[in-house]
Amino acid sequence: KNEVEQSPQNLTAQEGEFITINCSYSVGISALHWLQQHPGGGIVSLFMLSSGKKKHGRLIATINIQEKHSSLHITASHPRDSAVYICATRFGNEKLTFGTGTRLTIIP
Amino acid sequence: NAGVTQTPKFQVLKTGQSMTLQCAQDMNHNSMYWYRQDPGMGLRLIYYSASEGTTDKGEVPNGYNVSRLNKREFSLRLESAAPSQTSVYFCASGSDTYQPQHFGDGTRLSIL
Repeated sequence: KNEVEQSPQNLTAQEGEFITINCSYSVGISALHWLQQHPGGGIVSLFMLSSGKKKHGRLIATINIQEKHSSLHITASHPRDSAVYICATRFGNEKLTFGTGTRLTIIP
Repeated sequence: NAGVTQTPKFQVLKTGQSMTLQCAQDMNHNSMYWYRQDPGMGLRLIYYSASEGTTDKGEVPNGYNVSRLNKREFSLRLESAAPSQTSVYFCASGSDTYQPQHFGDGTRLSIL
């Protein structure tokens, strides 16, 4: 059974800090997703990756297939980055398995 | 620029009442999904539809029914609401099966 664990559960940082959120999973996967859930509740897909690294603006997602681990980095963090960040993995053709999320708060 | 639209945004029901959550997408996606989100748990798949005319059970289908009315619309029905169904419900759509790309804003449902 594929399990997804995120760390930390909660993270508070000062504006401008470099942020790292981690995601570990238990079995080999075909794809990993990072999603952002806004304080109002809406969910936005940030990245889907199966290897290497992807970058979009100040957000960078990396994945290490051998170590079964992915990280989401935010450079020059801003209060508007405050949200819950969710990792989800897909094993073969199975449904996505979601982590419980990391709540990020950026203080001005 | 609508994406995935869910209605209603909030609803309070009494135990035993029925209701239907509506979802529509305007991106011509084949696949649509219903998830529930509960405190301390990841999103869990209730039902999904890989294409118009097909629906399949997800991880937690008991107590729910779905209808894929056409390519745009995928509704979720609670026939006899129970307090355990108090949750936030999300509809999503995507071009590939099991790869939701766009989510609605959610429906916060409370069953008293």
